Amino acid sequence: GAGVSQSPSNKVTEKGKDVELRCDPISGHTALYWYRQSLGQGLEFLIYFQGNSAPDKSGLPSDRFSAERTGGSVSTLTIQRTQQEDSAVYLCASSNDRTARYYGYTFGSGTRLTVV
Amino acid sequence: AQRVTQPEKLLSVFKGAPVELKCNYSYSGSPELFWYVQYSRQRLQLLLRHISRESIKGFTADLNKGETSFHLKKPFAQEEDSAMYYCALTGNTGKLIFGQGTTLQVKP
Repeated sequence: GAGVSQSPSNKVTEKGKDVELRCDPISGHTALYWYRQSLGQGLEFLIYFQGNSAPDKSGLPSDRFSAERTGGSVSTLTIQRTQQEDSAVYLCASSNDRTARYYGYTFGSGTRLTVV
Repeated sequence: AQRVTQPEKLLSVFKGAPVELKCNYSYSGSPELFWYVQYSRQRLQLLLRHISRESIKGFTADLNKGETSFHLKKPFAQEEDSAMYYCALTGNTGKLIFGQGTTLQVKP
């Protein structure tokens, strides 16, 4: 696609429920990243995919968080048993070079998750 | 440890005044530095990259390896510059490490 697409744009869920957030990267981008943006915390790295594998998942805050990527394209971030502290904007980004070292990333518009 | 520090949460200036958004980093190696910007109700987007030595929308940033800084500057701020600005770095892995962000408010 023309840009990084994320869905849903907004999600309100009850504490304890599971949620799935979807990211559709730019076609042909091999690298995909998930970040979390919350007030006062800046942008927090969650996980990085190169193709379908995740060489760096060091930022996942707990085992309630998981992510997968299939076909080297769409990625899903799943949060199980959501807690109020999970409320944030979840951003996805993709890049077309292996390291993004020189070109940075292209970001999606994010999913605003609110846990009530 | 790899870290990006933006000491100011909020910077408020009047239109036409010079702007400097501070960024300091800690990285054991040779990082690449970036500035990203997020305007109200828009997605995060790349503003400029150190490697390209570019000036975008009148903004420039100079890498000072001795002070490990990459401050963002503009000589005359405009109201449309009001936004959240993030400094970031990558190393060999390509993972972007962001600072906490600075909100720039340009008053008329």
